Amino acid sequence: DGGITQSPKYLFRKEGQNVTLSCEQNLNHDAMYWYRQDPGQGLRLIYYSQIVNDFQKGDIAEGYSVSREKKESFPLTVTSAQKNPTAFYLCASSMKASYNSPLHFGNGTRLTVT
Amino acid sequence: GNSVTQMEGPVTLSEEAFLTINCTYTATGYPSLFWYVQYPGEGLQLLLKATKADDKGSNKGFEATYRKETTSFHLEKGSVQVSDSAVYFCALKDTGNQFYFGTGTSLTVIP
Repeated sequence: DGGITQSPKYLFRKEGQNVTLSCEQNLNHDAMYWYRQDPGQGLRLIYYSQIVNDFQKGDIAEGYSVSREKKESFPLTVTSAQKNPTAFYLCASSMKASYNSPLHFGNGTRLTVT
Repeated sequence: GNSVTQMEGPVTLSEEAFLTINCTYTATGYPSLFWYVQYPGEGLQLLLKATKADDKGSNKGFEATYRKETTSFHLEKGSVQVSDSAVYFCALKDTGNQFYFGTGTSLTVIP
């Protein structure tokens, strides 16, 4: 079945460590996105990529970095510069060519930093 | 700029009650509109969509109509079930492939 795989589901890190969240899709989608969700809140866009080897900052990019070396993969690194990294992280993808194509989401990674 | 405003929650209903969750949007051009549902600990799942004015999206008993004159896309269901308890997000996609989400509405259905 096609879909988006995020791993791991739960991740624990000590403060001051960088951590990388994995996101892989086999939907052949051009565009990929990372969102952050805090308890009781909506989604905030961290980074997005519309094409391989290109990405743009979203609304809350500070303290995060991404790469897009392959169409299928869009890993997110949460750096030690991110002041409040504990959150639920969602990866998503969509077909770029079709403007009415929806976002498809993975099941998320819950990151806890202590 | 583009934005989505949806009804604040939480919403609590008895089983078999009628559900309405309001959603209005601000956008230039002709966006596509979506409703997503999120169950605890999971990602968002597409519930329904509409891509042009007067389109009605429907799925699993839920419906929403794209109303350009009132810039609205309200979610309705005639008879909710306990299993419908979740958080619902209204969203739009503009012609530049950018998505905008509402803040989500939590629904709890009690037996």
